[in-house]
Amino acid sequence: AQSVSQHNHHVILSEAASLELGCNYSYGGTVNLFWYVQYPGQHLQLLLKYFSGDPLVKGIKGFEAEFIKSKFSFNLRKPSVQWSDTAEYFCAVNAQEAAGNKLTFGGGTRVLVKP
Amino acid sequence: DGGITQSPKYLFRKEGQNVTLSCEQNLNHDAMYWYRQDPGQGLRLIYYSQIVNDFQKGDIAEGYSVSREKKESFPLTVTSAQKNPTAFYLCASSIGAGRKLNTEAFFGQGTRLTVV
Repeated sequence: AQSVSQHNHHVILSEAASLELGCNYSYGGTVNLFWYVQYPGQHLQLLLKYFSGDPLVKGIKGFEAEFIKSKFSFNLRKPSVQWSDTAEYFCAVNAQEAAGNKLTFGGGTRVLVKP
Repeated sequence: DGGITQSPKYLFRKEGQNVTLSCEQNLNHDAMYWYRQDPGQGLRLIYYSQIVNDFQKGDIAEGYSVSREKKESFPLTVTSAQKNPTAFYLCASSIGAGRKLNTEAFFGQGTRLTVV
């Protein structure tokens, strides 16, 4: 069974600072990788996804993530955050060989951007 | 608008009572899922359904039941057997659930259940 760990539970930073959120997964096979974001009071939204090809993936709102297969990692980055990036971020994985398209989520990272 | 509708948004239940959470989608998706969200634990899969009239247990199915009589609907019942039911419940759907099908999940706005 796959598992996902996110290294930081809470991150506080100022506007214009750079953001990097760590995500590691454990699964020996081929995976699809996702980052979801949950803004206060809103539903979970997809930020970006990786299925195959270029391991550097660009998503919405200036976010990007890099898949490093050898490290089982899919870290999320943004060079310069804004106050509106305050949200909870979730990394998720599903195994391509598994039926059901089930997503396994990390514990989430709450990001607070100070104006 | 296409999407996933969960109702109600807030729900209060007395201990010992069963309660059913609604989830409807008009995205014509085959697969639907129920997750439970608790602080610091991310989302954990309760049940999922790949197709009408079929569903499978997820990682934390005990104390829950589901049905999938229609493609659009996947209601979740939280039974009195669920020991810690107070949580935020999220319903999701995806276009297909076949093997090696690379698809993302779309989420509803959630139902916050509080047992009083």
